[in-house]
Amino acid sequence: AQSVAQPEDQVNVAEGNPLTVKCTYSVSGNPYLFWYVQYPNRGLQFLLKYITGDNLVKGSYGFEAEFNKSQTSFHLKKPSALVSDSALYFCAVRDWGGGNKLTFGTGTQLKVEL
Amino acid sequence: DAMVIQNPRYQVTQFGKPVTLSCSQTLNHNVMYWYQQKSSQAPKLLFHYYDKDFNNEADTPDNFQSRRPNTSFCFLDIRSPGLGDAAMYLCATSRAGGPDYGYTFGSGTRLTVV
Repeated sequence: AQSVAQPEDQVNVAEGNPLTVKCTYSVSGNPYLFWYVQYPNRGLQFLLKYITGDNLVKGSYGFEAEFNKSQTSFHLKKPSALVSDSALYFCAVRDWGGGNKLTFGTGTQLKVEL
Repeated sequence: DAMVIQNPRYQVTQFGKPVTLSCSQTLNHNVMYWYQQKSSQAPKLLFHYYDKDFNNEADTPDNFQSRRPNTSFCFLDIRSPGLGDAAMYLCATSRAGGPDYGYTFGSGTRLTVV
């Protein structure tokens, strides 16, 4: 069965500093990986995805993620954090061929402080 | 703009009183999903429709039902809500045909059971 793990419940970073939100995955075949962001009382917004190709994926709002096959990781990064980036971030993996379902990690609360 | 719309945004229902949540989409996506999300936890898939084919998750309680009368609309029916069913309910849509198709989420309906 596919799964993703987000080892940190919360990440705190100062505005202007780089941020990293960690995600590791476990799949039996090719990984199809996604990052979503959720603001309070809102649905999930798509940030970026890795399907194939370059290991560094660029997404919305200046976010990027690095796919590392040997470490089975897909960490979300941003060079310079903004207070408005504070939100709940979910890593997800898509089980292509197994019902085509998206399975989410437990989420990481990002808090960016002045 | 094409989107996924959930109504209402907030729903208060009485313990044991049937309630229906609605989702509509203008994306013409084949697949529609219902997720339950509690207290900033990971969204949990309840069921999904692939066109008219209904797919229930094995651990979804019988109390939860769904209807999809046409491509655009999908409903979540909770027959006898309990206090434990208070949560954010998220509708999502996706095109069929490839793992690179991400999900588009609605803003969610927050259900309170009193």
